Amino acid sequence: NAGVTQTPKFQVLKTGQSMTLQCAQDMNHNSMYWYRQDPGMGLRLIYYSASEGTTDKGEVPNGYNVSRLNKREFSLRLESAAPSQTSVYFCASSEAGGLGAFFGSGTQLSVL
Amino acid sequence: AQKITQTQPGMFVQEKEAVTLDCTYDTSDPSYGLFWYKQPSSGEMIFLIYQGSYDQQNATEGRYSLNFQKARKSANLVISASQLGDSAMYFCAMREVNTGGFKTIFGAGTRLFVKA
Repeated sequence: NAGVTQTPKFQVLKTGQSMTLQCAQDMNHNSMYWYRQDPGMGLRLIYYSASEGTTDKGEVPNGYNVSRLNKREFSLRLESAAPSQTSVYFCASSEAGGLGAFFGSGTQLSVL
Repeated sequence: AQKITQTQPGMFVQEKEAVTLDCTYDTSDPSYGLFWYKQPSSGEMIFLIYQGSYDQQNATEGRYSLNFQKARKSANLVISASQLGDSAMYFCAMREVNTGGFKTIFGAGTRLFVKA
């Protein structure tokens, strides 16, 4: 059972470069999320998708775009990376009700 | 506006003792869910316990219980009989259902240290 799979696990970018973080879940969940976690801090919501075909801004959407490609996949794109986007990125998925979200293992991104 | 507050950056507890981690929240959505997650030093996020806004009883999962006081908008996590393996970051989270479309936000976290 794969759960939530994120790729890549590590990435180093130069300022101004672009990249896409990929996320896929195999639990047939409707909702998917992208968070960032800065050192010693909690998770901040970047974007979320309540269901296939919908996306909404979270707490810190600036500098990011997302695509809910299908029910399984939810990608996060940095068009022009900045040092302030250095962080650990987590993808998560959930279903309604009392089940907690399932998280991917995270992507460590450094922007130089 | 949706908001989660954890006011304890760090907590110490003696092994085998109970500890309470505080969480307060704010929302205008009458339907919401409250969650606690554990993040060990390895970095993964582990779901611990859930409380729905309409649940009459406090949630319990093994050694974890959630002290839900709706009028005070608090959802404190109680860990009984602490173990060394409980040392980790703990995050409180809230999911709004109606207005947020399952939008889920997290508090800043509390780092728990269990002493032998």
